[in-house]
Amino acid sequence: DIVMTQSPDSLAVSLGERATINCKSSQSVLYSSNNKNNLAWYQQKVGQPPKLLISWASTRESGVPDRFSGSGSGTDFTLIISSLQAEDVAVYYCQQYYSIPRTFGQGTKVEIK
Amino acid sequence: EVQLVESGGGLVQPGGSLRLSCAASGFSFSSYGMNWVRQAPGKGLEWVSYISSSASTIYYADSVKGRFTISRDNAKNSLYLQMSSLRAEDTAVYYCARSVGACNYWGRGTLVTVSS
Repeated sequence: DIVMTQSPDSLAVSLGERATINCKSSQSVLYSSNNKNNLAWYQQKVGQPPKLLISWASTRESGVPDRFSGSGSGTDFTLIISSLQAEDVAVYYCQQYYSIPRTFGQGTKVEIK
Repeated sequence: EVQLVESGGGLVQPGGSLRLSCAASGFSFSSYGMNWVRQAPGKGLEWVSYISSSASTIYYADSVKGRFTISRDNAKNSLYLQMSSLRAEDTAVYYCARSVGACNYWGRGTLVTVSS
């Protein structure tokens, strides 16, 4: 199984400041045939289901604010919230969909400082 | 508008069975693979099972293999999860989610509680 490890487990950021979340996979999730990283980022607010923010490591979903960006390749990935807003308070998860079982990181809780 | 609505959760005794349903609307259900993902109270997300659009490909997490069965009825735009031999550790909110590789639409979930 591919193990997904996020860091940090939680972070507190001032409004308007940058939040950076890291995700490391135990093996590469880069699919060589199409050169795409099978890595997604989700946002889950309290009492709500997860929402897909980014797929293929860096492709923002329609309607997702451009302050959210994803980067990385192979085994190391990053989600950046460039200017934290109050509505961004949530738990963020990375997930690999390269192989079965699909696996999630443990989550990173983002709060306002 | 894409909608996924889960139902069938509830309280069940250890060793019991339960069948979850997920009603899909707003998209061509028969064209998409579907997943079940669960979340234990206060915990993270755990992928449970996947079924391809035609049901020709099915996968399970090791934690549920042999106890859970995923299925779908494309004529009824519905996804199912038959759960048997339930254990306390199966207690969770169960979400159905549409698959495009990643899970791009999620239902609001249904709570399954396994307790005596």
